[in-house]
Amino acid sequence: EDQVTQSPEALRLQEGESSSLNCSYTVSGLRGLFWYRQDPGKGPEFLFTLYSAGEEKEKERLKATLTKKESFLHITAPKPEDSATYLCAVLKTDKLIFGTGTRLQVFP
Amino acid sequence: GAGVSQSPRYKVAKRGQDVALRCDPISGHVSLFWYQQALGQGPEFLTYFQNEAQLDKSGLPSDRFFAERPEGSVSTLKIQRTQQEDSAVYLCASSPRPDRVYYGYTFGSGTRLTVV
Repeated sequence: EDQVTQSPEALRLQEGESSSLNCSYTVSGLRGLFWYRQDPGKGPEFLFTLYSAGEEKEKERLKATLTKKESFLHITAPKPEDSATYLCAVLKTDKLIFGTGTRLQVFP
Repeated sequence: GAGVSQSPRYKVAKRGQDVALRCDPISGHVSLFWYQQALGQGPEFLTYFQNEAQLDKSGLPSDRFFAERPEGSVSTLKIQRTQQEDSAVYLCASSPRPDRVYYGYTFGSGTRLTVV
């Protein structure tokens, strides 16, 4: 069965404390892996797309990496404004299969 | 418009009532998707349109759910005889690409449906 699992469910960080979020997947016919950010009351906001193992993408304090079975979202020196739920999703045929997300809180 | 617009933002329905949720995608976007997001969960796929054609409706949970996009722009998701388990946020997303390869989905802020 196609499955996307994210860990941890919740993460509390002090401002400046770097960490990583994990997304593991078991999906046949994977066409890409995506990271989104979701703020309360808003829709998901696109961050990155990764297509092949070994690929890396960066945006400000965020860096996403991909292996054959999992992806990591590394957050370097986070700020309070990075607080949000981070969703991982894999593309299979025409639909995105989402994980349940990691709720990140960054305290000053 | 500049983004994907959904209305209403909030909807409270009595059990058994029919509801209609509207999505205005970004102008010119060919692909349109509906997702359902329960509290504390990730979004789950409901259905996909390419222009006015509904190409995939495999995620619709029952025959009480119906979606349309008659002119290839605005879409409506209709839920008949609402049940409490239908309570969720309904998200709409659009993409400029006409094919099935992900290019960039832009999501709306969603409609929060509460069935009482």
